[in-house]
Amino acid sequence: GDSVTQMEGPVTLSEEACLTINCTYTATGYPSLFWYVQYPGEGLQLLLKATKADDKGSNKGFEATYRKETTSFHLEKGSVQVSDSAVYFCALSAAGNNRKLIWGLGTSLAVNP
Amino acid sequence: NAGVMQNPRHLVRRRGQEARLRCSPMKGHSHVYWYRQLPEEGLKFMVYLQKENIIDESGMPKERFSAEFPKEGPSILRIQQVVRGDSAAYFCASSPRGTQEVEQYFGPGTRLTVT
Repeated sequence: GDSVTQMEGPVTLSEEACLTINCTYTATGYPSLFWYVQYPGEGLQLLLKATKADDKGSNKGFEATYRKETTSFHLEKGSVQVSDSAVYFCALSAAGNNRKLIWGLGTSLAVNP
Repeated sequence: NAGVMQNPRHLVRRRGQEARLRCSPMKGHSHVYWYRQLPEEGLKFMVYLQKENIIDESGMPKERFSAEFPKEGPSILRIQQVVRGDSAAYFCASSPRGTQEVEQYFGPGTRLTVT
Protein backbone atom coordinates (compact mmCIF):
# COMPACT_ATOMS: atom_id res chain seq x y z
CA GLY A 1 0.00 0.00 0.00
CA ASP A 2 0.87 3.66 -0.13
CA SER A 3 3.32 4.90 2.48
CA VAL A 4 5.43 7.87 3.56
CA THR A 5 8.85 7.71 5.17
CA GLN A 6 10.34 10.67 6.99
CA MET A 7 13.74 11.13 8.53
CA GLU A 8 13.65 10.50 12.24
CA GLY A 9 14.10 13.28 14.71
CA PRO A 10 14.55 15.07 16.85
CA VAL A 11 16.44 17.64 14.87
CA THR A 12 18.13 20.40 16.83
CA LEU A 13 19.48 23.47 15.07
CA SER A 14 20.75 26.89 15.95
CA GLU A 15 18.89 29.93 14.72
CA GLU A 16 19.70 30.85 11.11
CA ALA A 17 20.92 27.34 10.29
CA CYS A 18 19.75 25.52 7.16
CA LEU A 19 17.07 22.88 7.48
CA THR A 20 16.35 19.80 5.40
CA ILE A 21 13.81 17.17 6.43
CA ASN A 22 13.76 14.21 4.08
CA CYS A 23 10.53 12.64 2.93
CA THR A 24 10.10 9.80 0.45
CA TYR A 25 6.91 8.09 -0.58
CA THR A 26 5.54 4.96 -2.18
CA ALA A 27 2.33 5.28 -4.13
CA THR A 28 0.59 3.97 -7.18
CA GLY A 29 -0.39 6.64 -9.64
CA TYR A 30 0.26 10.30 -9.02
CA PRO A 31 -0.40 11.40 -5.46
CA SER A 32 -0.57 14.92 -4.12
CA LEU A 33 2.04 15.70 -1.48
CA PHE A 34 1.76 17.87 1.61
CA TRP A 35 3.76 19.17 4.53
CA TYR A 36 1.83 19.92 7.70
CA VAL A 37 3.20 21.51 10.86
CA GLN A 38 2.06 20.95 14.43
CA TYR A 39 3.05 23.49 17.03
CA PRO A 40 3.09 22.37 20.68
CA GLY A 41 -0.40 21.67 21.98
CA GLU A 42 -2.07 22.65 18.73
CA GLY A 43 -3.64 21.01 15.72
CA LEU A 44 -2.14 20.59 12.29
CA GLN A 45 -1.67 23.40 9.84
CA LEU A 46 -0.94 23.01 6.17
CA LEU A 47 2.52 24.36 5.45
CA LEU A 48 2.74 23.71 1.71
CA LYS A 49 1.66 21.29 -0.99
CA ALA A 50 2.46 20.10 -4.51
CA THR A 51 0.05 18.28 -6.76
CA LYS A 52 2.16 17.18 -9.71
CA ALA A 53 5.71 16.28 -10.62
CA ASP A 54 8.25 19.14 -10.52
CA ASP A 55 5.82 21.42 -8.67
CA LYS A 56 7.44 23.44 -5.90
CA GLY A 57 5.39 24.30 -2.86
CA SER A 58 6.51 27.21 -0.71
CA ASN A 59 5.32 29.11 2.34
CA LYS A 60 6.92 31.08 5.18
CA GLY A 61 10.39 30.51 3.75
CA PHE A 62 9.90 26.74 3.52
CA GLU A 63 10.09 24.95 0.17
CA ALA A 64 9.62 21.42 -1.12
CA THR A 65 9.79 20.09 -4.68
CA TYR A 66 7.79 17.09 -5.92
CA ARG A 67 10.42 14.77 -7.41
CA LYS A 68 8.78 11.86 -9.14
CA GLU A 69 12.03 10.29 -10.30
CA THR A 70 13.24 9.95 -6.71
CA THR A 71 9.74 9.76 -5.13
CA SER A 72 10.75 12.50 -2.72
CA PHE A 73 9.36 15.72 -1.25
CA HIS A 74 12.08 17.05 1.02
CA LEU A 75 11.33 20.10 3.14
CA GLU A 76 13.94 22.87 3.16
CA LYS A 77 14.46 26.25 4.72
CA GLY A 78 17.52 28.39 4.36
CA SER A 79 17.46 30.08 7.75
CA VAL A 80 15.35 28.72 10.61
CA GLN A 81 13.97 30.74 13.49
CA VAL A 82 13.11 29.78 17.05
CA SER A 83 9.45 30.10 16.10
CA ASP A 84 9.88 27.24 13.61
CA SER A 85 10.21 24.77 16.49
CA ALA A 86 7.44 22.25 15.89
CA VAL A 87 6.73 18.79 14.54
CA TYR A 88 6.65 18.50 10.76
CA PHE A 89 4.61 15.85 8.97
CA CYS A 90 4.89 14.75 5.38
CA ALA A 91 1.72 13.26 3.88
CA LEU A 92 0.27 12.09 0.60
CA SER A 93 -3.19 11.89 -0.81
CA ALA A 94 -4.09 9.54 -3.62
CA ALA A 95 -7.30 8.93 -5.49
CA GLY A 96 -6.89 5.23 -5.01
CA ASN A 97 -7.03 5.72 -1.27
CA ASN A 98 -10.23 7.77 -1.19
CA ARG A 99 -8.13 10.91 -0.78
CA LYS A 100 -7.38 10.15 2.83
CA LEU A 101 -4.00 11.39 3.98
CA ILE A 102 -1.23 8.86 4.51
CA TRP A 103 1.26 10.22 7.02
CA GLY A 104 4.90 10.01 7.87
CA LEU A 105 5.75 9.64 11.54
CA GLY A 106 6.69 13.29 11.95
CA THR A 107 10.00 15.00 12.60
CA SER A 108 10.44 17.12 15.67
CA LEU A 109 12.47 20.30 15.16
CA ALA A 110 13.92 22.37 17.97
CA VAL A 111 15.61 25.66 17.10
CA ASN A 112 17.82 27.22 19.74
CA PRO A 113 18.56 30.95 19.93
CA ASN B 1 -14.80 32.15 8.23
CA ALA B 2 -14.51 29.98 11.32
CA GLY B 3 -12.15 27.07 11.10
CA VAL B 4 -12.84 23.46 11.93
CA MET B 5 -14.25 23.24 15.44
CA GLN B 6 -13.79 20.29 17.72
CA ASN B 7 -15.15 19.77 21.18
CA PRO B 8 -14.37 19.01 23.80
CA ARG B 9 -10.68 19.88 23.61
CA HIS B 10 -9.89 17.57 26.49
CA LEU B 11 -11.95 14.60 27.61
CA VAL B 12 -11.31 12.29 30.54
CA ARG B 13 -13.19 9.01 30.74
CA ARG B 14 -12.94 6.01 33.02
CA ARG B 15 -12.52 2.59 31.49
CA GLY B 16 -15.86 1.28 30.28
CA GLN B 17 -17.47 4.69 29.73
CA GLU B 18 -18.44 6.16 26.39
CA ALA B 19 -16.63 9.01 24.66
CA ARG B 20 -18.34 11.27 22.13
CA LEU B 21 -16.18 13.60 20.09
CA ARG B 22 -17.71 16.33 17.96
CA CYS B 23 -16.46 18.02 14.84
CA SER B 24 -18.00 20.95 12.99
CA PRO B 25 -16.39 21.35 9.56
CA MET B 26 -15.60 24.66 7.97
CA LYS B 27 -18.53 26.41 6.36
CA GLY B 28 -19.15 25.01 2.91
CA HIS B 29 -17.19 21.82 3.55
CA SER B 30 -19.08 18.57 3.18
CA HIS B 31 -16.19 16.12 3.49
CA VAL B 32 -14.96 15.11 6.94
CA TYR B 33 -12.03 12.92 7.91
CA TRP B 34 -11.08 11.62 11.36
CA TYR B 35 -7.51 10.77 12.33
CA ARG B 36 -6.00 9.42 15.53
CA GLN B 37 -2.59 10.31 16.89
CA LEU B 38 -1.36 7.82 19.45
CA PRO B 39 1.47 8.75 21.81
CA GLU B 40 4.85 8.43 20.10
CA GLU B 41 3.19 7.50 16.81
CA GLY B 42 2.12 9.31 13.71
CA LEU B 43 -1.38 10.05 12.57
CA LYS B 44 -3.55 7.26 11.32
CA PHE B 45 -6.64 7.62 9.18
CA MET B 46 -9.83 6.36 10.78
CA VAL B 47 -12.85 7.29 8.69
CA TYR B 48 -14.00 9.49 5.82
CA LEU B 49 -17.58 10.77 5.72
CA GLN B 50 -19.79 12.94 3.62
CA LYS B 51 -23.17 14.15 4.74
CA GLU B 52 -25.19 11.10 5.83
CA ASN B 53 -22.68 8.70 4.23
CA ILE B 54 -19.65 6.79 5.38
CA ILE B 55 -17.32 6.68 2.41
CA ASP B 56 -14.33 4.84 3.87
CA GLU B 57 -14.05 3.36 7.35
CA SER B 58 -11.08 1.14 6.65
CA GLY B 59 -9.10 2.69 9.54
CA MET B 60 -11.74 2.24 12.19
CA PRO B 61 -11.33 -0.52 14.76
CA LYS B 62 -13.97 -3.13 14.12
CA GLU B 63 -15.52 -2.90 17.56
CA ARG B 64 -16.57 -0.07 19.87
CA PHE B 65 -15.91 2.74 17.35
CA SER B 66 -18.52 4.40 15.17
CA ALA B 67 -18.85 7.67 13.28
CA GLU B 68 -21.62 9.68 11.72
CA PHE B 69 -22.08 12.92 9.86
CA PRO B 70 -25.79 13.73 9.87
CA LYS B 71 -27.57 16.06 7.49
CA GLU B 72 -27.73 18.64 10.25
CA GLY B 73 -25.19 19.12 12.98
CA PRO B 74 -21.62 18.08 13.61
CA SER B 75 -19.85 14.87 12.82
CA ILE B 76 -19.62 12.58 15.83
CA LEU B 77 -16.96 9.99 16.61
CA ARG B 78 -18.22 7.65 19.28
CA ILE B 79 -16.13 5.24 21.29
CA GLN B 80 -18.00 2.81 23.47
CA GLN B 81 -16.53 1.07 26.52
CA VAL B 82 -13.27 2.94 26.32
CA VAL B 83 -10.01 1.26 27.26
CA ARG B 84 -6.64 2.77 28.18
CA GLY B 85 -5.33 2.12 24.69
CA ASP B 86 -7.89 4.58 23.32
CA SER B 87 -6.03 7.45 24.97
CA ALA B 88 -4.89 9.61 22.08
CA ALA B 89 -5.44 12.85 20.26
CA TYR B 90 -8.30 12.66 17.77
CA PHE B 91 -8.22 15.13 14.91
CA CYS B 92 -10.98 16.01 12.54
CA ALA B 93 -10.33 17.55 9.13
CA SER B 94 -12.65 18.91 6.49
CA SER B 95 -12.38 19.77 2.83
CA PRO B 96 -14.74 21.32 0.29
CA ARG B 97 -14.25 18.53 -2.22
CA GLY B 98 -13.10 14.96 -2.13
CA THR B 99 -10.31 15.32 -4.65
CA GLN B 100 -6.74 14.41 -3.87
CA GLU B 101 -5.18 17.81 -4.58
CA VAL B 102 -7.39 19.66 -2.14
CA GLU B 103 -5.87 20.12 1.28
CA GLN B 104 -7.67 19.15 4.42
CA TYR B 105 -8.20 21.71 7.16
CA PHE B 106 -7.70 20.44 10.67
CA GLY B 107 -9.35 21.20 13.94
CA PRO B 108 -7.42 21.62 17.19
CA GLY B 109 -8.08 18.03 18.21
CA THR B 110 -9.67 16.31 21.18
CA ARG B 111 -7.26 14.80 23.64
CA LEU B 112 -8.87 11.76 25.19
CA THR B 113 -7.47 10.35 28.40
CA VAL B 114 -8.82 7.07 29.72
CA THR B 115 -8.14 6.45 33.39
